[in-house]
Amino acid sequence: DAGITQSPRHKVTETGTPVTLRCHQTENHRYMYWYRQDPGHGLRLIHYSYGVKDTDKGEVSDGYSVSRSKTEDFLLTLESATSSQTSVYFCAISRETYNEQFFGPGTRLTVL
Amino acid sequence: DAKTTQPPSMDCAEGRAANLPCNHSTISGNEYVYWYRQIHSQGPQYIIHGLKNNETNEMASLIITEDRKSSTLILPHATLRDTAVYYCIDYGGATNKLIFGTGTLLAVQP
Repeated sequence: DAGITQSPRHKVTETGTPVTLRCHQTENHRYMYWYRQDPGHGLRLIHYSYGVKDTDKGEVSDGYSVSRSKTEDFLLTLESATSSQTSVYFCAISRETYNEQFFGPGTRLTVL
Repeated sequence: DAKTTQPPSMDCAEGRAANLPCNHSTISGNEYVYWYRQIHSQGPQYIIHGLKNNETNEMASLIITEDRKSSTLILPHATLRDTAVYYCIDYGGATNKLIFGTGTLLAVQP
């Protein structure tokens, strides 16, 4: 399995609080991605990164920001969490664009 | 929105081959056919991909029709651990992001 870890694996927080999810890889892959998965919607891309300090938006980026200061770490921040951001969040990595993506184990976030 | 269409569910007997179909009605010439699966509560897992030719790896075989409008993922000897949602995705060219549809829930029966 690709070396991808996500932390925390589970988190419960309250509306209006900031939340940061971390994705860490040991594969030295250039591309990193954040997805969310909700019933009835499948997986949807939030943001992705194509290098250190290089990021771009996905299809559901509103309310989320990302940062990548090191190749191995990609952080997803919810500046002020809302109940609509309750979801399972997956990180993925790929060597280059259009290559196969390898996914982490996911983080289950509940916003009360 | 996903560009591919798949049946919502299929059953397969343990030990038999599972053949999962996918329609790629709008696939373009430089898009690859990718297959992923997601076992309950886990992250999606890459299975296989191809452009025009049939492909095989240790997990599965991929058959792509000559016009590339349809593909079939074959699990040669399905086991209970293959029970999962299977996604086919057109990826590449102008489509630089994986777009997951609702997939096919494959239930392998003992």
